[in-house]
Amino acid sequence: SAVISQKPSRDICQRGTSLTIQCQVDSQVTMMFWYRQQPGQSLTLIATANQGSEATYESGFVIDKFPISRPNLTFSTLTVSNMSPEDSSIYLCSVAGEGNTIYFGEGSWLTVV
Amino acid sequence: KQEVTQIPAALSVPEGENLVLNCSFTDSAIYNLQWFRQDPGKGLTSLLLIQSSQREQTSGRLNASLDKSSGRSTLYIAASQPGDSATYLCAVITSRVDTPLVFGKGTRLSVIA
Repeated sequence: SAVISQKPSRDICQRGTSLTIQCQVDSQVTMMFWYRQQPGQSLTLIATANQGSEATYESGFVIDKFPISRPNLTFSTLTVSNMSPEDSSIYLCSVAGEGNTIYFGEGSWLTVV
Repeated sequence: KQEVTQIPAALSVPEGENLVLNCSFTDSAIYNLQWFRQDPGKGLTSLLLIQSSQREQTSGRLNASLDKSSGRSTLYIAASQPGDSATYLCAVITSRVDTPLVFGKGTRLSVIA
C-alpha cells in the first residue's frame, strides 16, 4: 500500500490569504490527484498532477486559484489562493498504488474566516 | 459521462444486523470499482477494490460484489458494530488506472449499540 502524508492536517485561515498544502508519498508515483470535499458533499477532482508537466485542471478550477507543483515523483503541493469562506473544505491528495488501488491522504481541513 | 449513485443516502441499524449498501453506475465500461470508508473530518480509507474481471472481493466482515452488465455493486457488512459507523463511498474508474475516480455521494451509516 502507499502511505500518503498531508500537511497541514487542519488550519484556520484569514480571508484573502493563501495556504499551501503538502502531499508526500512513500513511493514513486506517476500521477497524483487533488480533490476537494466541501461540507456534506462528496469528493470533487480539482486537478491531476504529473511530474515534469503542467497540472490538468477540471472544469471550474483554474491555475491562478489552485496552483500546483510536482517537483518529483513523491511530492506535490496545492495552494489555495486568495481564500474566501467558500474555500472551507477538506482537500485530499490521492495516488494509484500497488494493485491499482487508489489511496488517499488523511486530508487537510481548511476553515476560512 | 460516468455517474455514480449510492442508495440509501443514510442508514441506521441496530448492532449485530447484516446490511447492504448499494452503488450503481451509468457506464458499464469500468476498469475498477473501489469502496472507501470516511470517518467525520478524516480522509478516505480503502476497503475493497474490485477489478472489472472480478465479481466479488471479501475482507473480514465485508463483501463487495460487482455486476458490470447491470451497472451495480453492493457492499455487504456482516454483524455490524458501532465502530462501523461512517460514510461509505463507492468510486469507479472508467478507463486506465491513471485516470481519476468518479465518486458517489456516499451512504452515511450509523450502527446503534
